[in-house]
Amino acid sequence: GAGVSQSPRYKVAKRGQDVALRCDPISGHVSLFWYQQALGQGPEFLTYFQNEAQLDKSGLPSDRFFAERPEGSVSTLKIQRTQQEDSAVYLCASVPHWGSSYEQYFGPGTRLTVT
Amino acid sequence: AQSVTQLDSQVPVFEEAPVELRCNYSSSVSVYLFWYVQYPNQGLQLLLKYLSGSTLVKGINGFEAEFNKSQTSFHLRKPSVHISDTAEYFCAGGQGGKLIFGQGTELSVKP
Repeated sequence: GAGVSQSPRYKVAKRGQDVALRCDPISGHVSLFWYQQALGQGPEFLTYFQNEAQLDKSGLPSDRFFAERPEGSVSTLKIQRTQQEDSAVYLCASVPHWGSSYEQYFGPGTRLTVT
Repeated sequence: AQSVTQLDSQVPVFEEAPVELRCNYSSSVSVYLFWYVQYPNQGLQLLLKYLSGSTLVKGINGFEAEFNKSQTSFHLRKPSVHISDTAEYFCAGGQGGKLIFGQGTELSVKP
């Protein structure tokens, strides 16, 4: 079956521009996580949703970062006024059901480059 | 503070040789431990996981890992590597429902 998909796969933004990154989880998966992976580093947690509820956004680095999942399916990570330090791969992962939050299925990521 | 530490950033090895990728975890993560593999320009793929039970965990592609509570380690091993195992490997621990990742180990298998 289809896995987690993310779009765009690559995004180049000029500093100061707003960007929106999309995640399509596996159909029926309840939870959705966003991670940021800087070059040469491991992924770092940003935020997660249980259905449409954002239960933890402690990893968002600043108030320029905003995530939503309005219908409990597709999620969008928005970054306002991008800065060079935002350059990274943004990974999305979905989880099949409540109680299995560690069974995460990852998408291919969106590589964001801020120039 | 780093909760999951991968002790080697790069591990070069010849094809068909054994390999061990080292991972230590701190008490701040739960004893739910994972190894993921990441091929270039791809997402993370789960290799294996330890949730409870037997401390020796077998995963896909011939990999296995051993949970050692006294040494707070979860090292990944493979008795004989292939060229196709060349990739980045991440150790991760569970914490409050989210995954805490190590810095990654680049495994390079040479012919």
